[in-house]
Amino acid sequence: EPEVTQTPSHQVTQMGQEVILRCVPISNHLYFYWYRQILGQKVEFLVSFYNNEISEKSEIFDDQFSVERPDGSNFTLKIRSTKLEDSAMYFCASSDLGRNYGYTFGSGTRLTVV
Amino acid sequence: AQSVSQHNHHVILSEAASLELGCNYSYGGTVNLFWYVQYPGQHLQLLLKYFSGDPLVKGIKGFEAEFIKSKFSFNLRKPSVQWSDTAEYFCAVNAVGGSYIPTFGRGTSLIVHP
Repeated sequence: EPEVTQTPSHQVTQMGQEVILRCVPISNHLYFYWYRQILGQKVEFLVSFYNNEISEKSEIFDDQFSVERPDGSNFTLKIRSTKLEDSAMYFCASSDLGRNYGYTFGSGTRLTVV
Repeated sequence: AQSVSQHNHHVILSEAASLELGCNYSYGGTVNLFWYVQYPGQHLQLLLKYFSGDPLVKGIKGFEAEFIKSKFSFNLRKPSVQWSDTAEYFCAVNAVGGSYIPTFGRGTSLIVHP
């Protein structure tokens, strides 16, 4: 079964540092997403990406965040200057043409900001 | 905007017990509904989804959910749980014709004792 792949699985970074979380969506999917889950809290939507641009973003997705699809396969989330409260599990997801269908999620990257 | 409530945050059952996890949403229009499962250390996986038609939806691993429109509910059920069902369960809803971005509930942690 096709998978969404995320790397690294765990990243520890110092406050103020930049981090890049990487995702390889399913190859024929067209819609890409980032979600995050702070420990013990709900899964929160960050941003959606379609046709090489952001199609929707939440209030969480401020100027510290950016996304990019640098090539035909990778989809990255960059946090420019990490804060302690950015510590969370970050999930990438992708979906095909039917964007009201269930998404396929990656296994997540656990980001710990110290 | 839509919202999702999962009333049971922690559920502990013995094997062979029946399971029902509550999910209520608030949105005045047409919705798509999802249940996701997150096994320990793994990514979110789609259990089942409802778009239209028969309000009783059957998913993988013996799970089912019933959409009751008048109650804005989409409860997840399984007649006989197994130890391997130990996981976090998330209900999600997206608005048809509005933002298709799913909104997740806080999740319910299910522990099944052998």
